[in-house]
Amino acid sequence: DIQMTQSPSSLSASVGDRLSITCRASQSIRSSLNWYQQTPGKAPKLLIYAASSLQSGVPSRFSGSGSGTDFTLTISSLQPEDSATYYCQHSYTTPYTFGQGTKLEIK
Amino acid sequence: EVQLVESGGYLVQPGGSLRLSCAASGFTLSDHYMDWVRQAPGKGLEWVGRTGDKPNSHTTDYAASVKGRFTISRDDSKNSLYLQMNSLKTEDTAVYYCARTWVWNYLGYYYYYMDVWGKGTTVTVSS
Repeated sequence: DIQMTQSPSSLSASVGDRLSITCRASQSIRSSLNWYQQTPGKAPKLLIYAASSLQSGVPSRFSGSGSGTDFTLTISSLQPEDSATYYCQHSYTTPYTFGQGTKLEIK
Repeated sequence: EVQLVESGGYLVQPGGSLRLSCAASGFTLSDHYMDWVRQAPGKGLEWVGRTGDKPNSHTTDYAASVKGRFTISRDDSKNSLYLQMNSLKTEDTAVYYCARTWVWNYLGYYYYYMDVWGKGTTVTVSS
């Protein structure tokens, strides 16, 4: 199975900051990488698909990049509502796997 | 409005069985791949399994942790998805989500991503 490793596991940042979360696959997954946002008690929400395509309705401050084994989710100007846990997930082949999550706290 | 609503979560004893349902509205379930994802208390997301769309004969795949115990099925006439869970273990305790998987063909390569999620239903396996 393909393993997904995210870093950092948690971080704290201020409103207006630019930050990045990385996700590494244990083997090449081309661009079959998705990012989700989850707030407590809620279902995950799709942010980015195919590594860099922004899902409809998602603010443009979110962006994704990467291919092969290394991927990045970037938030260009952090907003209070971005406080959440972020997960990467590969869809290269089944079984799909998620990263362990990155918990983002707004200072 | 495109929506998924899960139901059927309950408290069940180890070794027991449970069937979860996922009712779709606003789209035709048979046109899409559908997935089940779960989240144990305080933990991350775990993919459980998926079923293909009608052109792919609704084929199914499962995570190793549930293979042989869980079965995904559909009733297209009811626009509903099911997860039959047998031989339940305490480690199956989780919130179970159903999700629609969108398949995007870009330059001949297929991308899969879960674009619509239900709110989840809670399964507790405990004696």
